Amino acid sequence: DADVTQTPRNRITKTGKRIMLECSQTKGHDRMYWYRQDPGLGLRLIYYSFDVKDINKGEISDGYSVSRQAQAKFSLSLESAIPNQTALYFCATNDRAGETQYFGPGTRLLVL
Amino acid sequence: GNSVTQMEGPVTLSEEAFLTINCTYTATGYPSLFWYVQYPGEGLQLLLKATKADDKGSNKGFEATYRKETTSFHLEKGSVQVSDSAVYFCALSDALSGGSNYKLTFGKGTLLTVNP
Repeated sequence: DADVTQTPRNRITKTGKRIMLECSQTKGHDRMYWYRQDPGLGLRLIYYSFDVKDINKGEISDGYSVSRQAQAKFSLSLESAIPNQTALYFCATNDRAGETQYFGPGTRLLVL
Repeated sequence: GNSVTQMEGPVTLSEEAFLTINCTYTATGYPSLFWYVQYPGEGLQLLLKATKADDKGSNKGFEATYRKETTSFHLEKGSVQVSDSAVYFCALSDALSGGSNYKLTFGKGTLLTVNP
C-alpha cells in the first residue's frame, strides 16, 4: 500500500463549487504539505502543517483553505473554485528529523 | 528569497546518450539540495540529494555534486535509457522559523524524453 494517498485522483468541477481534496499518510510523519503543479511553473507551496495545531500559509494560499483533522490527514479545500485553479495538486510529508519530502500520486483538478 | 533555476526543456536524447540537466540556486546559508523525478502519471520521487558542499548524491546511475563555488547541482547520467523518460525537478531546502523546519523550493522542471 502507498504511504501517501490522495483522493480523488481526478476531479472535474464547475466554477463556484466547493471542493475538497484529501490526503492521508501512514508514514507517521508530523509534517504535511500541499503543492500545486502547473506546466512551466514547477511546484508551488499552498499550505503546510507541522502538527495538528500548527498550520501555515505558503506562497499561493489565496482561494484555498486546509484542515488537519489528525496527524495522518490533511485536507485542502477550494471554497469557490475558479478556472485558474485547474492544476495538479500534490500532498507531501516529512518527519521531524528530515528534509526529504515524500509525495502522494497527485489529484488532477479541472475547473470548468 | 531562495530560488532554483534549472535548464528549460524539453530535452530529447537517444538511448545510451549522456545526460546533463543544469541546476543553479540562490540561497542564504547552505541548504540541502535535491533532485526529484516525476514519471508519467505519478507523484514526485526523491532521486538523490546532497546536504553539504562537495557532497555527491547518486542513485540509479544518476549523479549530482553540490558545488558551493558555482552554486550548482547539475544532474548527470552517463547512459540514459528509455525508462528514464520523466520530468526532473531540482530543489533546495528552505529553513523556516525555529531552525528545524523546512520547506522545499523547486525549479520549474525539465522534461526528458529518451528515444530507443
